[in-house]
Amino acid sequence: DVKVTQSSRYLVKRTGEKVFLECVQDMDHENMFWYRQDPGLGLRLIYFSYDVKMKEKGDIPEGYSVSREKKERFSLILESASTNQTSMYLCASSLIGTTGGVWQPQHFGDGTRLSIL
Amino acid sequence: AQKVTQAQTEISVVEKEDVTLDCVYETRDTTYYLFWYKQPPSGELVFLIRRNSFDEQNEISGRYSWNFQKSTSSFNFTITASQVVDSAVYFCALKASGGSNYKLTFGKGTLLTVNP
Repeated sequence: DVKVTQSSRYLVKRTGEKVFLECVQDMDHENMFWYRQDPGLGLRLIYFSYDVKMKEKGDIPEGYSVSREKKERFSLILESASTNQTSMYLCASSLIGTTGGVWQPQHFGDGTRLSIL
Repeated sequence: AQKVTQAQTEISVVEKEDVTLDCVYETRDTTYYLFWYKQPPSGELVFLIRRNSFDEQNEISGRYSWNFQKSTSSFNFTITASQVVDSAVYFCALKASGGSNYKLTFGKGTLLTVNP
């Protein structure tokens, strides 16, 4: 089974702090993703990475950056945390493209519930 | 642009009732993929099923079944004889062949509560 592990289930930080959310997957997946989930808004893609050191912006990248130095690890960075970044953050990974004509699903971690005070 | 609409924000049923979760999608691509995910209270999204646009066969897996109809752009999910453990938020998602190679478009989710 695919295992996507997020470093913290709950995190409380203060406004202005630099915050790191870590995600590790154990299935040698090429793609990794960071989403945030807010009530009434569903899941919104922040950033994704399709290879080491490669990244692309998602729908809501403002206020965030990412780092992928190793294939298995994808970090989300809040450069200067603000209260409107209080949210549930979900990491996911997937194989690249299609296998046998079927697009590979994304597999998710348990999520990090981040509160910015 | 792609869009997924889950019109039902919340559904509440009593155990053993059947329940259908609706999903309507929009895309101009002829090749696309549809997914359903389950998010229990623990938070992790669990992949349930994928379907590609060329395969309109309905699928049944135990108490779960999926009805894919291209004519109405719908991919509905039915739980038969619901159980308390089915309580979760369910997301429908779309991956179209055009645009970003990696992006999934999610619906806003339907919160299903199954009461004993």
